[in-house]
Amino acid sequence: GAGVSQSPRYKVAKRGQDVALRCDPISGHVSLFWYQQALGQGPEFLTYFQNEAQLDKSGLPSDRFFAERPEGSVSTLKIQRTQQEDSAVYLCASRPYSEVSEAFFGQGTRLTVV
Amino acid sequence: AQSVTQLGSHVSVSEGALVLLRCNYSSSVPPYLFWYVQYPNQGLQLLLKYTSAATLVKGINGFEAEFKKSETSFHLTKPSAHMSDAAEYFCAVSDSSSGGSYIPTFGRGTSLIVHP
Repeated sequence: GAGVSQSPRYKVAKRGQDVALRCDPISGHVSLFWYQQALGQGPEFLTYFQNEAQLDKSGLPSDRFFAERPEGSVSTLKIQRTQQEDSAVYLCASRPYSEVSEAFFGQGTRLTVV
Repeated sequence: AQSVTQLGSHVSVSEGALVLLRCNYSSSVPPYLFWYVQYPNQGLQLLLKYTSAATLVKGINGFEAEFKKSETSFHLTKPSAHMSDAAEYFCAVSDSSSGGSYIPTFGRGTSLIVHP
């Protein structure tokens, strides 16, 4: 595809359930970012990959959050034992190698924990 | 550490009026700066970016922004607002301070409301 694709677009989870969110970046993009966007707020950084290496995970709010990008393309963000405060839109973005380029965003996955 | 402050969570203008959305950044090294727009239930779309070339940057849909190092600002302007400009606008900064990863840091956003 031409852009960053995220699935599912919407996810409703019961509290305590595990969820997995998928991101298909633009082909050939080296960098991949995950952000969390609460209602009415700006995107908050979660984690960053360069190819398959997770170079920064300082934004992950707890050890319930885990991300991977095993082959340097598709990435999955997993949240274990979901809590109500996890309800947010999760945005994925990819970027070519050059840091001068902008990040290209997917449409996001809206997670609602009930 | 880098950070972004967007003054005004909401800005309201009349159609045809000047749009001014404010962004101030904090960075200990030369930054790259971006403005993104987000429509409801959509991802972020780039409007324009500053990457140390010309300080006045022109973007899509008639928007432009000026990098002012002395004021650490990167305000977004448009001479004449259209109804279709109503959206959420985010300013972002990236620099080499995050271990050379240039991870974008976003402001809280400004909601632009356009009245007929």
